[in-house]
Amino acid sequence: DGGITQSPKYLFRKEGQNVTLSCEQNLNHDAMYWYRQDPGQGLRLIYYSQIVNDFQKGDIAEGYSVSREKKESFPLTVTSAQKNPTAFYLCASSIRLEGNEQFFGPGTRLTVL
Amino acid sequence: LAKTTQPISMDSYEGQEVNITCSHNNIATNDYITWYQQFPSQGPRFIIQGYKTKVTNEVASLFIPADRKSSTLSLPRVSLSDTAVYYCLVGLRMDSSYKLIFGSGTRLLVRP
Repeated sequence: DGGITQSPKYLFRKEGQNVTLSCEQNLNHDAMYWYRQDPGQGLRLIYYSQIVNDFQKGDIAEGYSVSREKKESFPLTVTSAQKNPTAFYLCASSIRLEGNEQFFGPGTRLTVL
Repeated sequence: LAKTTQPISMDSYEGQEVNITCSHNNIATNDYITWYQQFPSQGPRFIIQGYKTKVTNEVASLFIPADRKSSTLSLPRVSLSDTAVYYCLVGLRMDSSYKLIFGSGTRLLVRP
């Protein structure tokens, strides 16, 4: 069953703690993306990767870090430097970086207490 | 810098055709325009993508004028289940970087 998965669906953390969100895809896609969505707002790009061992900052990368050691996996770490981390985080993948449909995961809702 | 603008909300009734327009100023010649549908607390779902003129699939049509400064998503005969938020997405390559610009979304309410 092909697709893109994110875990966990809900995540709670205390302020000041780093937290890592998982994103896995078995679609054999080269490109992967992380977005942040705040209530009632659109999606904002945090980081993207067009190939293994490569990633680029998006519009709101400060306070976040990523890695792309495997084609299937693109984990996002929300660090304590992110001033307002409570949000809905969405991971996506596409065959290539440009001009291709992005497939989205179900999202992780992070709440920092 | 490319920026997208959409109406905040639209109302419609079951069975009507709905047209949602997205303005994307300064879109470059190599950009695609993509539309997504999103339900609450879910990831967006691809609807349709186009580069120019008209594209049609089993769920929607996308109209892109010659200047490509806007695009219109057309949903024929909407149903209650089409109540969702609709986003346009423009991809823009600038020098060595790639920008993905999502619109702020149009909240469509379909009434019985």
